[in-house]
Amino acid sequence: QKEVEQDPGPLSVPEGAIVSLNCTYSNSAFQYFMWYRQYSRKGPELLMYTYSSGNKEDGRFTAQVDKSSKYISLFIRDSQPSDSATYLCAIGHGSSNTGKLIFGQGTTLQVKP
Amino acid sequence: KAGVTQTPRYLIKTRGQQVTLSCSPISGHRSVSWYQQTPGQGLQFLFEYFSETQRNKGNFPGRFSGRQFSNSRSEMNVSTLELGDSALYLCASRTEGVDTQYFGPGTRLTVL
Repeated sequence: QKEVEQDPGPLSVPEGAIVSLNCTYSNSAFQYFMWYRQYSRKGPELLMYTYSSGNKEDGRFTAQVDKSSKYISLFIRDSQPSDSATYLCAIGHGSSNTGKLIFGQGTTLQVKP
Repeated sequence: KAGVTQTPRYLIKTRGQQVTLSCSPISGHRSVSWYQQTPGQGLQFLFEYFSETQRNKGNFPGRFSGRQFSNSRSEMNVSTLELGDSALYLCASRTEGVDTQYFGPGTRLTVL
């Protein structure tokens, strides 16, 4: 079993739709959670990060963490064609002495005009 | 502030050769991590350097190595290249004590 599971998609939605992207993880020692966006032929770009259960909002993006279920989500409201990319969840142990992040496989999102 | 830079952006090598990739972190960031990204395995952690010392290592063979210089710039080396080493190699930097990492554009390595 992988430490982080993410449905690779692809996910195709019409412009303006609400998008829900999800990951599950197996190790309760994980303490911090990030979402990255990766456009084709580019490096991952940090979108959101959070340490605790609950919601964190930034513009059209909301990150949600449920530590009891080991489940994290990213919601995109009013999706735009420019949101078409691969979205990666990344999870870490929360110790500042390690830079190791464990990534999900990434979900490919296409937003159609 | 300039982002993480990686050179070269593209490389083509043949089996058995060795390769060196370079990474310059964001100014002030002293921690540098390297990752390999492939379609089949996704993003996998290679190693992390801080203050010129390797602090963590992922599950990769000894052919993969790295180092960090006093200015925090880092290099990774892959010796005796295999076809399966074809991948996007990503470097990420962070400030010590902060968990968020910022990635460079990557070096795309093709092994023929």
